[in-house]
Amino acid sequence: EAGVTQSPTHLIKTRGQQATLRCSPISGHTSVYWYQQALGLGLQFLLWYDEGEERNRGNFPPRFSGRQFPNYSSELNVNALELEDSALYLCASSWDRTGYTFGSGTRLTVV
Amino acid sequence: AQTVTQSQPEMSVQEAETVTLSCTYDTSENNYYLFWYKQPPSRQMILVIRQEAYKQQNATENRFSVNFQKAAKSFSLKISDSQLGDTAMYFCAFMDTGRRALTFGSGTRLQVQP
Repeated sequence: EAGVTQSPTHLIKTRGQQATLRCSPISGHTSVYWYQQALGLGLQFLLWYDEGEERNRGNFPPRFSGRQFPNYSSELNVNALELEDSALYLCASSWDRTGYTFGSGTRLTVV
Repeated sequence: AQTVTQSQPEMSVQEAETVTLSCTYDTSENNYYLFWYKQPPSRQMILVIRQEAYKQQNATENRFSVNFQKAAKSFSLKISDSQLGDTAMYFCAFMDTGRRALTFGSGTRLQVQP
């Protein structure tokens, strides 16, 4: 069984640009979650999508947004990139509340 | 809001020995899950063990077991017969079942020495 896959593995963007990160959940998982792991700030919850709808959102500005497609894959978009957006972005999926399976992440570097 | 505290930034253990990682949390919720995740240098977060708050019995998974003290809001992880492959960052996490958001502790870096 394929795990949660994220692309790209690494992404370098210039301040002010937009970044798009992609996630494919495990087959059968309908929920996708996004987390930011920044140096010194630890792991922080960003977004939860389920059945195509945003169900919950962490304490992040509106320039962090995303969507979930009918095949349950998901995109995370970060607009107007700032230097402090540099982080590892982790996607996870689940079919219930008993625990997630994480992907290997996308390392976003903003220069 | 929930908080999760891991008071041991780094720990070291000899191969084949036992080590315990500490975690405390604060919540007003009654129904929740607690997790330990492992993050090796490959960056992927791997679920080690989960505990449902309504279950009094401590969870075990092979060499990994927890000591869940609900009244004290404590959730420690014991690793028995430590192996070199256990070297990783370990995160304790809390999940509010309604919001489905994980709140993570700051992590404990575990080094298993040969």
